[in-house]
Amino acid sequence: GENVEQHPSTLSVQEGDSAVIKCTYSDSASNYFPWYKQELGKGPQLIIDIRSNVGEKKDQRIAVTLNKTAKHFSLHITETQPEDSAVYFCAASKSTSGTYKYIFGTGTRLKVLA
Amino acid sequence: DTGVSQDPRHKITKRGQNVTFRCDPISEHNRLYWYRQTLGQGPEFLTYFQNEAQLEKSRLLSDRFSAERPKGSFSTLEIQRTEQGDSAMYLCASSRGDRGTYNEQFFGPGTRLTVL
Repeated sequence: GENVEQHPSTLSVQEGDSAVIKCTYSDSASNYFPWYKQELGKGPQLIIDIRSNVGEKKDQRIAVTLNKTAKHFSLHITETQPEDSAVYFCAASKSTSGTYKYIFGTGTRLKVLA
Repeated sequence: DTGVSQDPRHKITKRGQNVTFRCDPISEHNRLYWYRQTLGQGPEFLTYFQNEAQLEKSRLLSDRFSAERPKGSFSTLEIQRTEQGDSAMYLCASSRGDRGTYNEQFFGPGTRLTVL
């Protein structure tokens, strides 16, 4: 069935360092890949997304890359700050194909150490 | 606040009781989704609506679960005869659903259900 694997499950970095979270999806028909940040007791917040027709997208300190051949996409956070500490989820979807559900990864708990 | 809202935020119930949750989507969004999230896991899809029509249901949605969106605006999720395994965060999301758009979903704060 459809599956998204996410690694690592936990990640600790020093403030100012970069963090990278990797996801792999199983359904080659997936064409939309959002990333969410979830803080304790809150719902997931969309932070960046990428569509299958591009290989990279950047928004200030956050970037996402997509390798369709390998069915692999990654989140890159540069110059990390303590407020980046949260759980991050990747997801895959076959948006525009009639089914709009997201398949989520299992999450990465990021700790930015001051 | 024009985001997705959910009520209640927390619900504690005894096994066997029925519970109902409400979700109010972003006003111009015609798609509404329900997900369930257990501790340490990512959200799992339960069902989604396009306006008032329920178009997809997950196998996770047993016959004890029912969702409605009667007027294409707010939605309710009811769980009958709750079991301890139903304890989870229930998340609602909405999206615009325009033809040809990619499907950015915006999530509410969730309802945390504890079944004793």
